[in-house]
Amino acid sequence: AQTVTQSQPEMSVQEAETVTLSCTYDTSENNYYLFWYKQPPSRQMILVIRQEAYKQQNATENRFSVNFQKAAKSFSLKISDSQLGDTAMYFCAFMKGNTDKLIFGTGTRLQVFP
Amino acid sequence: DSGVTQTPKHLITATGQRVTLRCSPRSGDLSVYWYQQSLDQGLQFLIQYYNGEERAKGNILERFSAQQFPDLHSELNLSSLELGDSALYFCASSFGQGTGELFFGEGSRLTVL
Repeated sequence: AQTVTQSQPEMSVQEAETVTLSCTYDTSENNYYLFWYKQPPSRQMILVIRQEAYKQQNATENRFSVNFQKAAKSFSLKISDSQLGDTAMYFCAFMKGNTDKLIFGTGTRLQVFP
Repeated sequence: DSGVTQTPKHLITATGQRVTLRCSPRSGDLSVYWYQQSLDQGLQFLIQYYNGEERAKGNILERFSAQQFPDLHSELNLSSLELGDSALYFCASSFGQGTGELFFGEGSRLTVL
């Protein structure tokens, strides 16, 4: 069975600074995808970034980038130039193949301070 | 706004009762997913429907059932409710399968007293 672990329950960062959220996963699959989802106080889950396991290049979306270490089964999220609107719960998620069944980690609560 | 609509947003009921949560997916999306978010268990996948048919099942209790109707909206039925069923229930939708890009609704918060 696949598992996703987020070892940082809470993080904080000052506005404009950079923060990295950690995620590790366990799987024996070769075909899988990894995601970071954001859940702001409005509760709605929003996809931040997506990484295909077969791609060596790390995914980036504007201020958000990942460090995907396949051998170490690590998938961290870096947020650059943090903004107050980045304050949210961040969930790392794993998806096997083309299943669309997402397995989520327990989340990291990020607080961005002015 | 994700385009996914869930009703009701909040619901308070008593143990032993039955409730129905409703979800309207984004226009054009064929897949609907239900997730349960509780404080102690995080986000748990319950069930997926694709174009009216059950496609995948997760940790869904036998007291819970779901269906997707011809107009693609979905309902999650929770019966014989227990205190531990109190949670945020999310519906999500996607056009097809295999992208992992789900569009989530705002959730239905269920409180069982």
